[in-house]
Amino acid sequence: SQQGEEDPQALSIQEGENATMNCSYKTSINNLQWYRQNSGRGLVHLILIRSNEREKHSGRLRVTLDTSKKSSSLLITASRAADTASYFCATDEGDAGNMLTFGGGTRLMVKP
Amino acid sequence: NAGVTQTPKFQVLKTGQSMTLQCAQDMNHEYMSWYRQDPGMGLRLIHYSVGAGITDQGEVPNGYNVSRSTTEDFPLRLLSAAPSQTSVYFCASSFLKTSGAHNEQFFGPGTRLTVL
Repeated sequence: SQQGEEDPQALSIQEGENATMNCSYKTSINNLQWYRQNSGRGLVHLILIRSNEREKHSGRLRVTLDTSKKSSSLLITASRAADTASYFCATDEGDAGNMLTFGGGTRLMVKP
Repeated sequence: NAGVTQTPKFQVLKTGQSMTLQCAQDMNHEYMSWYRQDPGMGLRLIHYSVGAGITDQGEVPNGYNVSRSTTEDFPLRLLSAAPSQTSVYFCASSFLKTSGAHNEQFFGPGTRLTVL
């Protein structure tokens, strides 16, 4: 089964609003990564947060990590129509192995 | 740098046919992997490699073979195609884990495979 699971599966908002999506995982991790996928394209790396970090910012993106709850959230502020995409979290298995697994993704639609 | 390239972009196979999906990267990455993505779903790891001559199975390896004879290339072979293998296949690469943690993955554009 997948290590990470995103919630919600789909999200529709108006341009200018904030979008929040969550990722829960099962085992201990070394870091957690967020990726974006535009329709019909490959995934693009957005941000990486290490297990000893609690919050990280990159432009309009804010990622938090709560290792006690085994969860992370991605916040996109002041969303734009161009943010319409699917967003995935990716986690490793801590020290157990070399696999990097992805969740099912959140499909975000930003209406102009 | 071309980054991660995949060929072909599209492929239609008949059940039972075999084929090889090509993946190459020019970033000198040690770690390479193959994922499949089914409609409306996330990515599932098929096989991965931490360097030339070293490969290992992911979550869904059945029906697929890989080899890693060079750092740059990581082909995925479908031995006997089945309709259940209809999917979009992505190749990714990165530098090896740093301090035990995975690095940023670079993805190819994908190969859309249909098995009739």
